[in-house]
Amino acid sequence: EVQLVESGGGLVKPGGSLRLSCAASGFTFSSYSMSWVRQPPGKGLEWVSSISSGSNYIYYADSVKGRFTISRDNAKNSLYLQINSLRAEDTAIYYCARIRFSSGYMDYWGQGTLVTVSS
Amino acid sequence: DIQMTQSPSTLSASVGDRVTITCRASQSVISWLAWYQQKPGKAPDLLIYKASSLENGVPSRFSGSGSGTEFTLTISSLQPDDFATYYCQQYNTYPYTFGQGTKLEI
Repeated sequence: EVQLVESGGGLVKPGGSLRLSCAASGFTFSSYSMSWVRQPPGKGLEWVSSISSGSNYIYYADSVKGRFTISRDNAKNSLYLQINSLRAEDTAIYYCARIRFSSGYMDYWGQGTLVTVSS
Repeated sequence: DIQMTQSPSTLSASVGDRVTITCRASQSVISWLAWYQQKPGKAPDLLIYKASSLENGVPSRFSGSGSGTEFTLTISSLQPDDFATYYCQQYNTYPYTFGQGTKLEI
């Protein structure tokens, strides 16, 4: 059974940093591209970043470019999102999601981790 | 960036109704479009990919169609479990973009 479990969210002050993690199981993690998608409370979905299976290709939304860094450790079956210079508008549930066959659509999602940016 | 616009934003319907949600792209995404269902407090679930391919395990009352810039998600006969929010997503070009969502309510 495919499982994605996010962790690392919490309350952080503006300008602060967090590192989100996503632990994957039930599939060959090293064969799949992965994404982070976020959802502000009560609002819609926003794609944040994607990384290819071997970390060769990395993409970011303009809204996070230069502040967020996606990475992965295939030996640990883990995906990460380092988020720096946090702003109030980064407050959201952050989901990690598997991209099927490098296609671009996301077939499995984690339960999400909440990041709250507030002073 | 490709803008995705869904209509309507809210749809009121009843069990047994046939409903259609439209998703329009600001430029062609060919057929690289997915549909997701999200229930309150839960992560999204994949329903449709490549505009019209039904994900394994998704009931056949769900169907997708379209290409280029106009796409539709149709539910042929609404069931109580279908009341949720639906999102389209283009994956033709980075940055990937989602529609703003359509809330299907009773």
